[in-house]
Amino acid sequence: EVQLVESGGGLVQPGGSLRLSCAASGFTFSNFGMNWVRQAPGKGLEWLSYINKRSDTIYYADSFKGRFTISRDNAKNSLYLQMSGLRAEDTAVYYCARDEGPVPTIFGPWGQGTTVTVSS
Amino acid sequence: SYVLTQPPSVSVAPGKTASITCAGNNIGTKSVHWYQQRPGQAPVLLIYYDSDRPSGIPERFSGSSSGNTATLTISRVEAGDEADYYCHVWDSSSNHYVFGTGTKVTVL
Repeated sequence: EVQLVESGGGLVQPGGSLRLSCAASGFTFSNFGMNWVRQAPGKGLEWLSYINKRSDTIYYADSFKGRFTISRDNAKNSLYLQMSGLRAEDTAVYYCARDEGPVPTIFGPWGQGTTVTVSS
Repeated sequence: SYVLTQPPSVSVAPGKTASITCAGNNIGTKSVHWYQQRPGQAPVLLIYYDSDRPSGIPERFSGSSSGNTATLTISRVEAGDEADYYCHVWDSSSNHYVFGTGTKVTVL
């Protein structure tokens, strides 16, 4: 069974940093691109970043370039999102999602999300 | 940047048909995907490549796309269809994924 499990969320002060993780199982992680998506309370879905299977193609939504960094460790079947300079508006549930194509195509399985709260 | 606009809400009686539109510039030239998100849950792929259904998705869900509008249609609506629905495309001109603004479907 394909599973994606996010972790690393929590309460962080404005200006702080946080590293989210997404542990993959039930499939060959190194064969798939991956994405991060977030959803602020009561709001819609917002795509953050994509990384291909070899980590040699990375895309960011404009709003997050320079503040967020996506990475992966295929040996550990894990995806990461390093977030810095966090603001109150970064408060959201953060999801990882598997990309189903050899290039950005479509999201297949999603994790259940990890909650990040930015507050003093 | 590419923008996808959906109606905020759609209300439909059980057994009737609900149509959710997703408006975007020349969206008919892109591959459109739809996700269903029930309260408190992660999104689930509902329709891909405009009109294909993943295994396990009922035939009541269908999609189409042409010109500047993509449409998700839910036939014979059931109470369990109450959820938020999002359209989704890959914009190759900006190398960005874009989600629609989302539509909340309420079953009366």
